[in-house]
Amino acid sequence: GAGVSQSPSNKVTEKGKDVELRCDPISGHTALYWYRQSLGQGLEFLIYFQGNSAPDKSGLPSDRFSAERTGGSVSTLTIQRTQQEDSAVYLCASSLVQGVSAGYTFGSGTRLTVV
Amino acid sequence: EDKVVQSPLSLVVHEGDTVTLNCSYEVTNFRSLLWYKQEKKAPTFLFMLTSSGIEKKSGRLSSILDKKELFSILNITATQTGDSAVYLCAQHQNRDDKIIFGKGTRLHILP
Repeated sequence: GAGVSQSPSNKVTEKGKDVELRCDPISGHTALYWYRQSLGQGLEFLIYFQGNSAPDKSGLPSDRFSAERTGGSVSTLTIQRTQQEDSAVYLCASSLVQGVSAGYTFGSGTRLTVV
Repeated sequence: EDKVVQSPLSLVVHEGDTVTLNCSYEVTNFRSLLWYKQEKKAPTFLFMLTSSGIEKKSGRLSSILDKKELFSILNITATQTGDSAVYLCAQHQNRDDKIIFGKGTRLHILP
């Protein structure tokens, strides 16, 4: 597609349930980031994929969070046993070439609400 | 401790005013300084700054980097209601390629 696509755009889930958030990067983009933005806060780095290299998971807040990127394209962020503090907008961004900071394109995000 | 610090956190001005938004960052591991505008959910790219003292302009927006004092400013002249948004500053790190964002400045332009 023309841009970074995220789904669902909105997700309401009950505390304790697992959720999966999906990111479709721009075709051919090798770098993919997940960020989280809580209400009134800046963007918090979660995880970074670059090509076939091992992902940088240093931003994941707990072991309830995990992410995969299959075939170097689509990525899924999974949150297990969701808590109310997980409520936030989860943003995905992709870039064609590692290190080209101006080339990062963001998706529209998934707004997750844990009730 | 936050690595990228923006000020003010929020700002309300009248249409036509000029505003200056501030961003300070860490010297460690610096590759570039980025500015984004966030109106709804997805931030849109404004500027990338790598060299000190060179102003980048786009219409009424301009930005400059001071690598000695470790800060950047974003100026908006003749503000319009459409400029109302959160403006995010971010440091792109060299070693690990991470982009670290500040908390943003929420700008509201009154008609």
